[in-house]
Amino acid sequence: EPEVTQTPSHQVTQMGQEVILRCVPISNHLYFYWYRQILGQKVEFLVSFYNNEISEKSEIFDDQFSVERPDGSNFTLKIRSTKLEDSAMYFCASRAGQAGGYTFGSGTRLTVV
Amino acid sequence: QKEVEQDPGPLSVPEGAIVSLNCTYSNSAFQYFMWYRQYSRKGPELLMYTYSSGNKEDGRFTAQVDKSSKYISLFIRDSQPSDSATYLCAMSANTGNQFYFGTGTSLTVIP
Repeated sequence: EPEVTQTPSHQVTQMGQEVILRCVPISNHLYFYWYRQILGQKVEFLVSFYNNEISEKSEIFDDQFSVERPDGSNFTLKIRSTKLEDSAMYFCASRAGQAGGYTFGSGTRLTVV
Repeated sequence: QKEVEQDPGPLSVPEGAIVSLNCTYSNSAFQYFMWYRQYSRKGPELLMYTYSSGNKEDGRFTAQVDKSSKYISLFIRDSQPSDSATYLCAMSANTGNQFYFGTGTSLTVIP
């Protein structure tokens, strides 16, 4: 069964450093998303991406965050200057069309120290 | 933000039991609803996707939506130990917009 692949599975970074989280969505999917889940809290929306541009973003997704689809397969989330409160599980998701459920990846656990 | 409320449990049932998982919400504009299952340290796995009110069945799973009460349910029949996981509800006003998730209910099915 097709799956969304995320790398790395766990990343530890120092506060203030830049991190790039990588995702390979399902190949025929056109809509891409990043969500995050702080330990013990709800899954929270960050950003949606379609046709090479952001279609919606949350208040969390400030100027420190950016997304990119650098080629036909990868979808990345960059955090420019990490803060302790950015520590969370980051999930990439994709879907073929604008309707229907998402397929999530297994997540990247980001730990900022 | 308390858009979506979900009892975190934990819920513990014997194998074979019928499980009822529920979410309530405050935004009457929500009309797209999803249920996910999440195993420890894994990404959420889609179980059900429904639109508006009514029931939808898929194997041992039935999703119910009551928009008048702002209440959704997921029923699991003949529960199995492999159903032990956290169950997340999620909902949106417009299928193209972000989904709002509940906190998840932790379920353990005891053999």
